[in-house]
Amino acid sequence: DAKTTQPPSMDCAEGRAANLPCNHSTISGNEYVYWYRQIHSQGPQYIIHGLKNNETNEMASLIITEDRKSSTLILPHATLRDTAVYYCIVRPLGSGNTGKLIFGQGTTLQVKP
Amino acid sequence: NAGVTQTPKFQVLKTGQSMTLQCAQDMNHNSMYWYRQDPGMGLRLIYYSASEGTTDKGEVPNGYNVSRLNKREFSLRLESAAPSQTSVYFCASSRDNYGYTFGSGTRLTVV
Repeated sequence: DAKTTQPPSMDCAEGRAANLPCNHSTISGNEYVYWYRQIHSQGPQYIIHGLKNNETNEMASLIITEDRKSSTLILPHATLRDTAVYYCIVRPLGSGNTGKLIFGQGTTLQVKP
Repeated sequence: NAGVTQTPKFQVLKTGQSMTLQCAQDMNHNSMYWYRQDPGMGLRLIYYSASEGTTDKGEVPNGYNVSRLNKREFSLRLESAAPSQTSVYFCASSRDNYGYTFGSGTRLTVV
């Protein structure tokens, strides 16, 4: 599985966009980029995933560079409830052995009033 | 629709005691997973089950056993608990390339 690199921490002002970067320079062609977050003491929550096109859902947008070596998760209007640890994970399609999630250290996002 | 349900939510064990953590999902997912999370750390995969009847080791399987009882249930057993197994345990399930759904966790302390 490809490894990812994320900054350990970031701050963001409430109401502003939060842009969380992730480097995955060794990603393979069949690997997707997934983002999860973990709000204090809770189980991780799925946010979004993508292969090579930009993706958007009700929670966030995912921008993947053309060479797929990095990506950015965008929370368009961050709120205090978005304070969490954000994990960027790359893995191939499928479940079980091929689809297991391996978590890194993630980025701790602190949204400030 | 409950998602992934874990029991118990909290547990204190004495060193050497055994216990089973229960996990059940009602989403008809094929795959289920057990993770542990130590304070200030990311999640580490203990065991997973790609489908009913199969189980495989993850990153940190030592000291644990698992049973995929049926499609819904995946249990994690500690045969002889050690203080190093003090952690928060999360169960998760997934269907193919869709996102995982996690339970709310079991907070285990071994004294």
